[in-house]
Amino acid sequence: ETGVTQTPRHLVMGMTNKKSLKCEQHLGHNAMYWYKQSAKKPLELMFVYSLEERVENNSVPSRFSPECPNSSHLFLHLHTLQPEDSALYLCASSQVGQTSYGGYTFGSGTRLTVV
Amino acid sequence: EDKVVQSPLSLVVHEGDTVTLNCSYEVTNFRSLLWYKQEKKAPTFLFMLTSSGIEKKSGRLSSILDKKELSSILNITATQTGDSAIYLCAVAMNTGFQKLVFGTGTRLLVSP
Repeated sequence: ETGVTQTPRHLVMGMTNKKSLKCEQHLGHNAMYWYKQSAKKPLELMFVYSLEERVENNSVPSRFSPECPNSSHLFLHLHTLQPEDSALYLCASSQVGQTSYGGYTFGSGTRLTVV
Repeated sequence: EDKVVQSPLSLVVHEGDTVTLNCSYEVTNFRSLLWYKQEKKAPTFLFMLTSSGIEKKSGRLSSILDKKELSSILNITATQTGDSAIYLCAVAMNTGFQKLVFGTGTRLLVSP
């Protein structure tokens, strides 16, 4: 399997549930990202892991908890979410230090609905 | 605060029309500007622009960056229904990791 794979594709959860989103990249990249995409808003950067260390955390509520056990895997643990957290959650990866390209490879996202 | 603004927010055209999508930015530590196409979920890479005035072209799509005006345009000629998508503009920053700041996107609908 190639590219960036996210599971599940769709998730419906209650406000008291605990769930996790998974992302796996097969590109040999050394940085991984979580973005949130809500309707009519720009993609919002949530977390960045570069060389398996968290290097950015954009004031995301503590009900979102990332985990990066190795350079190929990234998780987003969810608990006690609110309805406004319903969105498309996109994972991406890139190769830090590569001078010729500044962009990401994205996964297909997880469509999260909080009820 | 770093910001990327795209216009128009949405656009409906007929097949065969030519469209121009706009992107302007205000960021510190500019590295490059990127365009992505998002059809269903995963944004896919179209262009990366680093130098002013040099047009990048791929088939019916082309893009150019104006660093003086802090802006870029994406042109699509002879549009097809398959061009219907959200087009995202993003600016890459010169940080230790590759931080991208995105615009809200332009939703393009090409009608037959």
